[in-house]
Amino acid sequence: QSVLTQPPSVSGAPGQSVTISCTGSSSNIGAGYDVHWYQQLPGTAPKVLIYYNTNRPSGVPDRFSVSNSGTSVSLAITGLQADDEADYYCQSHDGSPNGWVFGGGTKLTVL
Amino acid sequence: EVQLLESGGGLVQPGGSLRLSCAASGFSFMNSAMSWVRQSPGKGLEWVSAISPDGFRSYYADSVRGRFTISRDNSKNTLHLQINGLRVDDTAIYYCAKEGTQIKGPWVEYWGQGTLVTVSS
Repeated sequence: QSVLTQPPSVSGAPGQSVTISCTGSSSNIGAGYDVHWYQQLPGTAPKVLIYYNTNRPSGVPDRFSVSNSGTSVSLAITGLQADDEADYYCQSHDGSPNGWVFGGGTKLTVL
Repeated sequence: EVQLLESGGGLVQPGGSLRLSCAASGFSFMNSAMSWVRQSPGKGLEWVSAISPDGFRSYYADSVRGRFTISRDNSKNTLHLQINGLRVDDTAIYYCAKEGTQIKGPWVEYWGQGTLVTVSS
């Protein structure tokens, strides 16, 4: 059971938009800890997609954006492309020395 | 270019030990906090352990504390994870991770390609 809750799967057709929610608690997201997102393409290691809540590394298109609301954040992907098909993970912290927390991951299928 | 190259994974019997290593290059290793994150087959990501840049502070997930030991050799730009008392549920790909600069909590800026640890009799 992951500390951060994500839907197991989402899907959309090319060109459409999807959102992936990441729900935490007052101990982590609600406490103001940064939320980061990772994209894991099939058969590869994860890579950072969004850091410090809303920042995109160079090379990540602005089709990827994040909004937040209290103890939840949502990753929005617009203009879906086939190579967006991947697993997406959110990650935050709860302030304790070993307080890394991950979401369980969401599998995005581009129909 | 940042590179993190893990090694040391393999098949081991329950109760056995392994030492994972991660050779780092392309960044100032001695100034970077490092972590290990694992992923069981078909499962999500689980943070395992972290170590401060100077190696004096280390942190562990409850699931591995007392069995895993993280260490680093800044003279060789190498990170290690000594894994003892392996259990079947330790089976996973173990990723070496360079942490990004913390503002409000740690995160992974770069990931290695991972090394597979399989625990089975």
